[in-house]
Amino acid sequence: QVQLQESGPGLVKPSETLSLTCTVSGASISNYDWSWIRQPPGKGLECIGYISYSGGTNYNPSLESRVTISVDTSRNQFSLKLRSVTAADTAVYYCARRVGSRSNWFDPWGQGTLVTVSS
Amino acid sequence: QSVLTQPPSVSGAPGQRVTISCTGSSSNIGAGFDVHWYQQLPGTAPKLLIYDNNNRPSGVPDRFSGSKSGPSASLAITGLQAEDEADYYCQSYDSSLSGSGVFGTGTKVTVL
Repeated sequence: QVQLQESGPGLVKPSETLSLTCTVSGASISNYDWSWIRQPPGKGLECIGYISYSGGTNYNPSLESRVTISVDTSRNQFSLKLRSVTAADTAVYYCARRVGSRSNWFDPWGQGTLVTVSS
Repeated sequence: QSVLTQPPSVSGAPGQRVTISCTGSSSNIGAGFDVHWYQQLPGTAPKLLIYDNNNRPSGVPDRFSGSKSGPSASLAITGLQAEDEADYYCQSYDSSLSGSGVFGTGTKVTVL
């Protein structure tokens, strides 16, 4: 079955860049859309954006100026970069496969990785 | 930014039926976009529970069902079990935002 695993630093300093990678197994990354979603401690879920099977990207307008999502097909991975982070970016970051047509859903999800922004 | 509104909490005794509402607007659910539901057990990642309003992925018990009407959707849990105690989120698409999706505010289900 399809499995996703997030990896990256758990601690990032304010004003620096948060970088995470999601490794996909059980499916070719070129055949689907892939998303990043985050959840601040004790709060709800927020879509960050996605990269399509063709390489196009779409970002949450509230984060668009700071976000880049890219894909490495040779490694079957996709990545998230979030620039100029602040404490408000502290969250559990999830990667997920984006499925469906007109109104997409997310399945499956990675286990998530906590990223803390602190000096 | 959550544009889909859910009640913060619902509770029920084992065996009872509980429902969770998800209220949107004319730019999301009311515009005809489908609704999906996720279950998040404590300390774990969300898991897809219902997709396209009323479809259950393989392995999801038929105690869970979804519906949609106008600008709102609902998730029903019948025969409530202790293992159903979790956070539940609805999710859809909003035409006034980006295409990356919007989530509900989340509902904590407590089994009494």
